[in-house]
Amino acid sequence: GAGVSQSPRYKVTKRGQDVALRCDPISGHVSLYWYRQALGQGPEFLTYFNYEAQQDKSGLPNDRFSAERPEGSISTLTIQRTEQRDSAMYRCASSLAKFPGTRVNEQFFGPGTRLTVL
Amino acid sequence: GESVGLHLPTLSVQEGDNSIINCAYSNSASDYFIWYKQESGKGPQFIIDIRSNMDKRQGQRVTVLLNKTVKHLSLQIAATQPGDSAVYFCAERRDSSYKLIFGSGTRLLVRP
Repeated sequence: GAGVSQSPRYKVTKRGQDVALRCDPISGHVSLYWYRQALGQGPEFLTYFNYEAQQDKSGLPNDRFSAERPEGSISTLTIQRTEQRDSAMYRCASSLAKFPGTRVNEQFFGPGTRLTVL
Repeated sequence: GESVGLHLPTLSVQEGDNSIINCAYSNSASDYFIWYKQESGKGPQFIIDIRSNMDKRQGQRVTVLLNKTVKHLSLQIAATQPGDSAVYFCAERRDSSYKLIFGSGTRLLVRP
C-alpha cells in the first residue's frame, strides 16, 4: 500500500517568500507529525496532530511557522517570509494511533521535502 | 539521492561480521526507545523498540540492549549485510508523551 507522501520533494525559494509543504499520511492514520532534519542529525519535532486537532506546536521555531490538518488527513506546513536558516529537510510522519508507546503506534516517515532558501 | 549526513560517526564492518551501534540518552525519565534506519534519500524506518522495563529485546538479526544505569542503548546487528549500510538513529520518548527525541546518527558501512 501507499506510504506517507510529501510534496514537493524539492523546493527552492528566495528569502522572504512563503512556502507550503504538503503531507499525505497513510490512509486511516490518526496521528501526524512534522519534523525538521538537518544534515547529519536526527529529525527534530515540530508539531503534532491528532485527527484535525493540533495538539502540540511547541517545536515550531517561531511564529513564521504554522501547520494545519483541516480534515484530519492531509496536512500543510507553511513557512512565511522564509529565511536562509529555514533551509532543511522537512519530514512528515504518521501513525495509526495516538501515542508512540508501542509497536502498533509506529511512526511511518515520508521521503521529506528539501527546502532551500536562497 | 539525498545524502543523510556528511560528517557522521562511521562504523565500518566486514560483510558477515556483527555490528554494534551505540547511543547515549540524557533523560532518565525516558520510558520508550526506538532504533531507526535511514537510507540515502529516504525517511527513517523503524527497526526495533524497547520499553524501559526491559533490558534486552531481540528481532530478526537485531538486538537492542538498554542499560538504564548509565543511560545507554545499543543496537546489535548479526551477520551484517550490504543492505544494512545506512545511518542509524536512536530515539527516546520522555515522560509518556508522544514526542520522540532523536539522537545524532551513526553511519554503518558494510565492506564486501
